[in-house]
Amino acid sequence: NAGVTQTPKFQVLKTGQSMTLQCAQDMNHEYMSWYRQDPGMGLRLIHYSVGAGITDQGEVPNGYNVSRSTTEDFPLRLLSAAPSQTSVYFCASGQNQETQYFGPGTRLLVL
Amino acid sequence: SQQGEEDPQALSIQEGENATMNCSYKTSINNLQWYRQNSGRGLVHLILIRSNEREKHSGRLRVTLDTSKKSSSLLITASRAADTASYFCATDRVDYKLSFGAGTTVTVRA
Repeated sequence: NAGVTQTPKFQVLKTGQSMTLQCAQDMNHEYMSWYRQDPGMGLRLIHYSVGAGITDQGEVPNGYNVSRSTTEDFPLRLLSAAPSQTSVYFCASGQNQETQYFGPGTRLLVL
Repeated sequence: SQQGEEDPQALSIQEGENATMNCSYKTSINNLQWYRQNSGRGLVHLILIRSNEREKHSGRLRVTLDTSKKSSSLLITASRAADTASYFCATDRVDYKLSFGAGTTVTVRA
């Protein structure tokens, strides 16, 4: 099993550009989520999904969209990047909210 | 706002000593989990304690949960250099959201 994979590992964007952060898992997990990690802030939940076709907002959803068309994939879209979205983004999955498996993260720099 | 808050923010100990960190939270939970993050890596699940449990052990880890005080503690016994990492508590809330605290950074000195 590859576990949870994230691409790209690192990305530089200009303000106003859009992009999609990819997340995939091969463990047949129903629950998937996206977090951002900023220094001193810990992890903040952006969006989560309890199964294919179902998504919901977390603590900091503004500026981000998600979809869950398959069990395996949970992409995160930045609609119009802003410097405030400079962060490290982590995707995680689990059979439910217990025992989350995290991807290696995507470092995003918005100039 | 974040659900969990860890205390202390940072901890420095000698190899072989015990490390204790605390987590406080605000709302009702199904369970509380602890994760470790090594520098530049993703988080790794360490242990889960359910809301009806008071104490749980896993190897050198001991977790307690006091739902009346909405607090939990993580004890790492006989620390090793490899325990140097950041530790996060995560609360599994009844609204399907898993919320993390800001973490405790533990440095184990040789």
